Amino acid sequence: GAVVSQHPSWVICKSGTSVKIECRSLDFQATTMFWYRQFPKQSLMLMATSNEGSKATYEQGVEKDKFLINHASLTLSTLTVTSAHPEDSSFYICSARGTGQLTKYFGPGTRLTVT
Amino acid sequence: AQTVTQSQPEMSVQEAETVTLSCTYDTSENNYYLFWYKQPPSRQMILVIRQEAYKQQNATENRFSVNFQKAAKSFSLKISDSQLGDTAMYFCAFMKPTVGNQFYFGTGTSLTVIP
Repeated sequence: GAVVSQHPSWVICKSGTSVKIECRSLDFQATTMFWYRQFPKQSLMLMATSNEGSKATYEQGVEKDKFLINHASLTLSTLTVTSAHPEDSSFYICSARGTGQLTKYFGPGTRLTVT
Repeated sequence: AQTVTQSQPEMSVQEAETVTLSCTYDTSENNYYLFWYKQPPSRQMILVIRQEAYKQQNATENRFSVNFQKAAKSFSLKISDSQLGDTAMYFCAFMKPTVGNQFYFGTGTSLTVIP
């Protein structure tokens, strides 16, 4: 199956700083990438959808100026959490879908801890 | 909006036994796709099985099979010969094939396989 990687797998940052999370499709071209947030023992909450070369579409309630998403190439999307606060601490998961694909393939997730 | 309901927050099964996880959904669409994803303790989301709504035949993948009842809007997952590695959160997901192909996830069922 298709492989999606995320980096880093775990990051700790201080309140007020920014952190960038990368999502890469390793063996296919991801025309669409999705960013999710998951709280402990809860389901995945879609934050935004991005198409290569276009601006991301954010879900209602997600601050686009706080969660910056860039999908500059067919294999890479980045999520930057700006001016992080402790309440941003969570597990962030990306997924990717190629042209004509119906199935989403997920990355292994990134655990963000803001101190 | 579509809703996906998983009514069993937690389940357990003896190793080698069979277990069925339930999922119901609400939609007015006729053409859609259903998925079961597994999230083990590693947090990596793994596709288990996919069902196209236009197919009457239930999908199977080795020990995993579904019981798709379109009229009842039910999509249960049966795991046969349960193995310790099946211990995970299982999420049911609904997808309508439109622009964006957004997934709607259920709240998940935590399955524990007991040795």
